[in-house]
Amino acid sequence: GESVGLHLPTLSVQEGDNSIINCAYSNSASDYFIWYKQESGKGPQFIIDIRSNMDKRQGQRVTVLLNKTVKHLSLQIAATQPGDSAVYFCAESKYQGGKLIFGQGTELSVKP
Amino acid sequence: EAGVTQFPSHSVIEKGQTVTLRCDPISGHDNLYWYRRVMGKEIKFLLHFVKESKQDESGMPNNRFLAERTGGTYSTLKVQPAELEDSGVYFCASSQDYGETQYFGPGTRLLVL
Repeated sequence: GESVGLHLPTLSVQEGDNSIINCAYSNSASDYFIWYKQESGKGPQFIIDIRSNMDKRQGQRVTVLLNKTVKHLSLQIAATQPGDSAVYFCAESKYQGGKLIFGQGTELSVKP
Repeated sequence: EAGVTQFPSHSVIEKGQTVTLRCDPISGHDNLYWYRRVMGKEIKFLLHFVKESKQDESGMPNNRFLAERTGGTYSTLKVQPAELEDSGVYFCASSQDYGETQYFGPGTRLLVL
């Protein structure tokens, strides 16, 4: 598969529990942050994004938190479901529309 | 509405051969991006088109890679000659206007033997 050779951090949760996926970003000048979900054999799928003038944004079952002081981004998934099993990538950009700089990804495994 | 499509889905070629990857963005999207993930590495930016113009090509690794977007619709990425280290997954993304979310295609999985 695509993850061969790439040792991803993994997170294993029980179905129905909440998941928290963390990401440290590199550039303090980044203004835009985004989370993508990638299932095996597919491309990254947009989940949620946030600008640097915000510290929290909520979507359906997902929340993104941004801590600019420590350059940390997190994705919270409420009531995790088996369909949430995937690799999750955070990405940053100096501005929305600019090139994205991706993190290494975290593999989420949901146990039924 | 159809998403970003890429062709082929898989390609296996020998070192020294040429391969051309194609990306069809979402209809009406002026911005088109190429990214790739080689084995063991993160997804990395290659270049960005706005319509037919190259806005940012800072991620192109070397002159063996040539990207075009004639007419501002679909784009091609040619690798000539391919090397072993070019193996990986090549993704295309598009956005309607500058500053909007980038939507990714399924990728082309390239294996150079």
